[in-house]
Amino acid sequence: ETGVTQTPRHLVMGMTNKKSLKCEQHLGHNAMYWYKQSAKKPLELMFVYSLEERVENNSVPSRFSPECPNSSHLFLHLHTLQPEDSALYLCASSQESFGNTGELFFGEGSRLTVL
Amino acid sequence: GQQVMQIPQYQHVQEGEDFTTYCNSSTTLSNIQWYKQRPGGHPVFLIQLVKSGEVKKQKRLTFQFGEAKKNSSLHITATQTTDVGTYFCAGGYGGSQGNLIFGKGTKLSVKP
Repeated sequence: ETGVTQTPRHLVMGMTNKKSLKCEQHLGHNAMYWYKQSAKKPLELMFVYSLEERVENNSVPSRFSPECPNSSHLFLHLHTLQPEDSALYLCASSQESFGNTGELFFGEGSRLTVL
Repeated sequence: GQQVMQIPQYQHVQEGEDFTTYCNSSTTLSNIQWYKQRPGGHPVFLIQLVKSGEVKKQKRLTFQFGEAKKNSSLHITATQTTDVGTYFCAGGYGGSQGNLIFGKGTKLSVKP
């Protein structure tokens, strides 16, 4: 139990579907992140929210749309995905201070398969 | 852009042997973090190094940060089957949130 909960744990969707991934952190942290983990690739940072404002978007395609309604919740809305988007999507949170990225607490991930 | 290179990609050892994984950055890091991901699991934070030449130990694990703050290593003494997993370094470059670049990881397997 890391204090970061992700749902669903597994998701299979077609290329025309719309789905959402949800993340909730119970640690009182001020920053939340979406990472993508594919086979044979490093962990790729997708989005960063600090104090509910998006501070980074690493050239992620618009078919991925993040939402952070408050400091404890983070969503990743998915639509018209491609098979190459199949991956493990990891949510993380941390306590940021003065530009220093603190220890990341990861959720267990949402395994996404796009058919 | 900034990149953190990590080697080796895979390491197979006999239980009881030592293991080391190395990370290198082309530019100076403000800090480096290490994570472990068990098979089927998620990355779990191990440690953060901040100071030039810093050495930290956690039981059989020894972490080093180079004098120039461009490289780091993780050494495991006398590996055990519980050490199996992928070890990632993540280099911090300071500045705005999110400037943490992960290496590709070293996947460790331990033969009993």
